[in-house]
Amino acid sequence: DTEVTQTPKHLVMGMTNKKSLKCEQHMGHRAMYWYKQKAKKPPELMFVYSYEKLSINESVPSRFSPECPNSSLLNLHLHALQPEDSALYLCASSQGTSSMFFGPGTRLTVL
Amino acid sequence: AQSVTQPDIHITVSEGASLELRCNYSYGATPYLFWYVQSPGQGLQLLLKYFSGDTLVQGIKGFEAEFKRSQSSFNLRKPSVHWSDAAEYFCAVASISSGSARQLTFGSGTQLTVLP
Repeated sequence: DTEVTQTPKHLVMGMTNKKSLKCEQHMGHRAMYWYKQKAKKPPELMFVYSYEKLSINESVPSRFSPECPNSSLLNLHLHALQPEDSALYLCASSQGTSSMFFGPGTRLTVL
Repeated sequence: AQSVTQPDIHITVSEGASLELRCNYSYGATPYLFWYVQSPGQGLQLLLKYFSGDTLVQGIKGFEAEFKRSQSSFNLRKPSVHWSDAAEYFCAVASISSGSARQLTFGSGTQLTVLP
């Protein structure tokens, strides 16, 4: 199984809402990632978790809050987002020298 | 710092024609190189990867890529393009960051259009 799953597929939220994105993998990977992708652009790294600990935060605003409850799950909590945060949010996982596998993404629209 | 350049923003080919997408990288050590494909609104699918060994690597969907250290290139090729290959293609180079994690640096992408 080389699948990374993400829920929901689509999310529309207001600027005052609180919502969460979820990501799951069962490949035994110990590194998990959140990327943000705007239209016609490559993915931009947001956060990296290694062995359930946050190892990289690419200067992401505090309105994005990641969480890694266990080795298979990764959440991204959203609060007080801005319209410019509308994007495709991609989760990925990897282990050692293995390839990085991406989920299908959550299309987020902030009104 | 590592970087990836994809010189072609947009390429148009006819169905059945051959394809080559260019990728140049900058990396201090032996690179880990990848090609991903992304259909509209979808996630990234791994086409192929190079870690070491044979410099010509085969991937899924009939794609192959050749690693040329002297030219710092990792170009993607396909002998006969199908209409379903129309998508965005990203080249990426990886480094190990911490623990088991790695950091991928992506090129800006090449949009492929396939004409009937």
